[in-house]
This record gives sequence, structure tokens and C-alpha cells, in this order.
Amino acid sequence: NAGVTQTPKFRVLKTGQSMTLLCAQDMNHEYMYWYRQDPGMGLRLIHYSVGEGTTAKGEVPDGYNVSRLKKQNFLLGLESAAPSQTSVYFCASSQRPRAPVANTGELFFGEGSRLTVL
Amino acid sequence: AQTVTQSQPEMSVQEAETVTLSCTYDTSENNYYLFWYKQPPSRQMILVIRQEAYKQQNATENRFSVNFQKAAKSFSLKISDSQLGDTAMYFCAFTAGWETSGSRLTFGEGTQLTVNP
Repeated sequence: NAGVTQTPKFRVLKTGQSMTLLCAQDMNHEYMYWYRQDPGMGLRLIHYSVGEGTTAKGEVPDGYNVSRLKKQNFLLGLESAAPSQTSVYFCASSQRPRAPVANTGELFFGEGSRLTVL
Repeated sequence: AQTVTQSQPEMSVQEAETVTLSCTYDTSENNYYLFWYKQPPSRQMILVIRQEAYKQQNATENRFSVNFQKAAKSFSLKISDSQLGDTAMYFCAFTAGWETSGSRLTFGEGTQLTVNP
């Protein structure tokens, strides 16, 4: 059971470099999310997607772009990395409510990706 | 906008004792879900317990239970018979409006719980 898989797990970048984090889920979930975790601030939503081909901004979207070309994948891009983007990034997914099955609102998380920008 | 506040950055408890983690939230929604997630040193986010706002009965999962006070917008987690494996960061989280815009969770700042032998 793979669940939600994030690659890479660790990455060190220099200021101004670009990179892409890949999230893949095998649970056929419609919804996918990218969060960042910083000490003392919990997890904050960067972008999310409610279906293939759709994306929306979360709480802290500046400096990031996302794409959802396939239902199972959600990519997070940093075009020009900054030290303020040093963080641990989590991808998550959830199913869309479909009666009669009750949606519990639970998110399924990947293991996180630690990004350091020097 | 919804906010979630955990006012206890760190807590500690002796093994086998009981500890309560606090969480308050602010929302104008009437229907919503509340969660406690656990993050051990492995960094994996693990769902501990969930509570539906329309249910008056407090949720329980083995040694974990909640005290949900809807009017006070309070959602505390009680861990009974604490075990060393309970040592982790605990996050309180809230979601509403998930039927049309996805289960976007709003998280609190987290409480680092240490269980001492």
C-alpha cells in the first residue's frame, strides 16, 4: 500500500534555483493538497486541487506554482527558490464526498519533503 | 476565515498518567469536522481522532478521547495511560465546506508532548 508518495524526500537548493516536488497517490482521490510545516506555525496550505486540471490558492501561495495534469499526481514548483522557502513540505489527498458514503474529511499525508534553500 | 489555536507549545507527562491537550477554534460555520493528528519523530502525520460538529457525543478511540464544547469552540484531547510511543507533536485541525471545495484543513501551531518513563 503506497498511499501518498512524495519525491524527493530531501533537497538542498541555492537561492534562485528552481525545483519541482512530485506527489503521487494511488487511492483514486479527487482532492490533493500541498502544505508547508514550519516550527511554531503548524501546517499551512500552499495550494490545493479539487480535480484533474484544476488548482486553487491556499493560505501561503506566493513563490509556488502547481499543476494537476493527471488525477494521481500533484506537482509543486519553486521557480526561484528563496531562503524563506526552507521548510518541510507535505502532500495530502482526500476523497470527494459521494452519498451514501459519509465523507469524514480525513486527509492522507505523504512522509514529507525537507527542502533547504541556502 | 477559520483559525485554530493551541496555547501549549510543550507538555510532558509521566508514563501511565493522563494528559490533556487544549485546542480552541474560531468559525462561523455550523457543520464542520475537528481532528487531532499525531506527528512522531518519523514526521508521518497520523490521524488520532475526529469529531463531527453535529454529534453531541464526544469521540473516543481506545486511550484517546476528546472533550468537544461547541458553544465554547473548544476541542481538547485526553490521553489516558500515556505510553512512551505517545511522544510526538500533536496538531489540532479543522475543516468545513468540504463538499464543494475539498477538505482543506486549518491546523493549530502544535503541542510537543513528551512522555517520560
